[in-house]
Amino acid sequence: DAGITQSPRHKVTETGTPVTLRCHQTENHRYMYWYRQDPGHGLRLIHYSYGVKDTDKGEVSDGYSVSRSKTEDFLLTLESATSSQTSVYFCAISYSGIYNEQFFGPGTRLTVL
Amino acid sequence: GENVEQHPSTLSVQEGDSAVIKCTYSDSASNYFPWYKQELGKRPQLIIDIRSNVGEKKDQRIAVTLNKTAKHFSLHITETQPEDSAVYFCAASSTTGNQFYFGTGTSLTVIP
Repeated sequence: DAGITQSPRHKVTETGTPVTLRCHQTENHRYMYWYRQDPGHGLRLIHYSYGVKDTDKGEVSDGYSVSRSKTEDFLLTLESATSSQTSVYFCAISYSGIYNEQFFGPGTRLTVL
Repeated sequence: GENVEQHPSTLSVQEGDSAVIKCTYSDSASNYFPWYKQELGKRPQLIIDIRSNVGEKKDQRIAVTLNKTAKHFSLHITETQPEDSAVYFCAASSTTGNQFYFGTGTSLTVIP
């Protein structure tokens, strides 16, 4: 597997609390992505980054923010978690955008009670 | 944005038979179509991809075909084996940014 890790791997939190998920890579890839995976919906893009401090929205960005202050780290923040954000979150990296393979992290299972 | 539909949602085949999964997309400008395999509890991994200037691509027992006119592409797995059991996702590139739109997945079960 590519050098990509996610933390935490599992988290249970309560509605209304802030949550930050971290994606860390050791591959020096330019692009990083956050997806959520839900039954019946496949993988849906939340936000992505095409460089340090360069980010853009995906198709399900409402309620989420991201930051990338250095190449290796991409943070996903739920400012005020809701039950609809219960999901498995995957980070992915790519050397130079969508025409290159995306390598996925191991995933974070988030439960919002 | 792009809309990707994937069928069937579940597929069971006998070991040694072939499996076919089909996807359609809405944006005629999409030009890159990867397929990912996700085993139970694991991360998705790329198994094959195709670009719009190619009609077919093969890699051992796996092949992908693309029909740009009809805006659909298919994954073909021949001589299926139990280790092919997994969820398969198709995706299509977006023309408005560096992102994919994924299909909803097909759960393939190969029965020994």
